[in-house]
Amino acid sequence: QKEVEQDPGPLSVPEGAIVSLNCTYSNSAFQYFMWYRQYSRKGPELLMYTYSSGNKEDGRFTAQVDKSSKYISLFIRDSQPSDSATYLCAMSAGTGKLIFGQGTTLQVKP
Amino acid sequence: DSGVTQTPKHLITATGQRVTLRCSPRSGDLSVYWYQQSLDQGLQFLIQYYNGEERAKGNILERFSAQQFPDLHSELNLSSLELGDSALYFCASSVAGAGGTGELFFGEGSRLTVL
Repeated sequence: QKEVEQDPGPLSVPEGAIVSLNCTYSNSAFQYFMWYRQYSRKGPELLMYTYSSGNKEDGRFTAQVDKSSKYISLFIRDSQPSDSATYLCAMSAGTGKLIFGQGTTLQVKP
Repeated sequence: DSGVTQTPKHLITATGQRVTLRCSPRSGDLSVYWYQQSLDQGLQFLIQYYNGEERAKGNILERFSAQQFPDLHSELNLSSLELGDSALYFCASSVAGAGGTGELFFGEGSRLTVL
């Protein structure tokens, strides 16, 4: 079993839809939770960062962490075609080693 | 632009050969990480260096080795290449070392094709 599980999709939604992306994990030592966005032929870039449990909002993006369920989510409101990318969840126990999910490919259709 | 520079961007070679991938981290970043990305395995952590010293090791094959030089650039050496080594190799850097928060800045990757 992988430490971090993420449905690879692909996920296709119409413009303006609310998108929900999720990851589950098995290592209870994880304390730092991140979402990275990767456009085609580019390296991943940090989108959201959360420490421990709770919610964090940044514009149209909301990250949620539920450590009791070992479950994290990323919500995108009013999705735009420019949001079309692969979204990777990532987690760390604070050791510097970052473990990534498989990535979910999202397509937002105009 | 993340500030992390990787060369070469593309590399095509034959099985059994050896290649070297190079990474220059962002100015001021002491940690360098190497990741391998393939379609079936996703982004796999290979190894981390902090200020010249190996800090963490992941699923790195014995045929692969890396080092970080005094000027903080890093090289990943891949030898006795196999078809299955074809992948995107990413370098990332961060200010933090052990105990870091995981805010990594990635380069654009080196795409290796082994024929």
